[in-house]
Amino acid sequence: AQSVTQLDSQVPVFEEAPVELRCNYSSSVSVYLFWYVQYPNQGLQLLLKYLSGSTLVKGINGFEAEFNKSQTSFHLRKPSVHISDTAEYFCAVSDRNAGGTSYGKLTFGQGTILTVHP
Amino acid sequence: ETGVTQTPRHLVMGMTNKKSLKCEQHLGHNAMYWYKQSAKKPLELMFVYNFKEQTENNSVPSRFSPECPNSSHLFLHLHTLQPEDSALYLCASSRQREDADTQYFGPGTRLTVL
Repeated sequence: AQSVTQLDSQVPVFEEAPVELRCNYSSSVSVYLFWYVQYPNQGLQLLLKYLSGSTLVKGINGFEAEFNKSQTSFHLRKPSVHISDTAEYFCAVSDRNAGGTSYGKLTFGQGTILTVHP
Repeated sequence: ETGVTQTPRHLVMGMTNKKSLKCEQHLGHNAMYWYKQSAKKPLELMFVYNFKEQTENNSVPSRFSPECPNSSHLFLHLHTLQPEDSALYLCASSRQREDADTQYFGPGTRLTVL
């Protein structure tokens, strides 16, 4: 069984400061990793994903994440945040069969609310 | 983002009512999903449909009944709900197989059960 732990439920930061949102996972098989963002009163939107290859993944809106297999982590970072980044961020994992087919079954963490203050 | 729409956006119902939630995707996808988002809990996958066939029922109580008449529409029929079923219900869609994890979400229906 897979599980995802987002270590911080809330992260307050000031505008233009750097931010890191932490995510750890556990799984008995190879996983694929995702970060989704949910702005107020909206559905979730994909920020970035790690499937294979380079462990540093760049996403939309200046976000990036680094896959660390030994630490089973996939932390999300942004060097300088904006007020518009205020939202809830979800880390998710999925597994696939040997042929690479996804089942579409994402396991989500509990979310981290990022609040950017002026 | 108008790729996935959900109606109604808000719904208040009594425990004896019957209501339905509707989801429509305009992205040409062939997989659709229902999720439940409760306060303080992770997003929970409820149902998965691939090419109109249900491929996943994540131990959801029978008071929730999904229907997928075609690849663009998904319904969630509700009856005899409990107050603990109050939550945000999110619909999502994706392409199947190798890109099924890239899911596009609707804005959700905020359900309150009295």
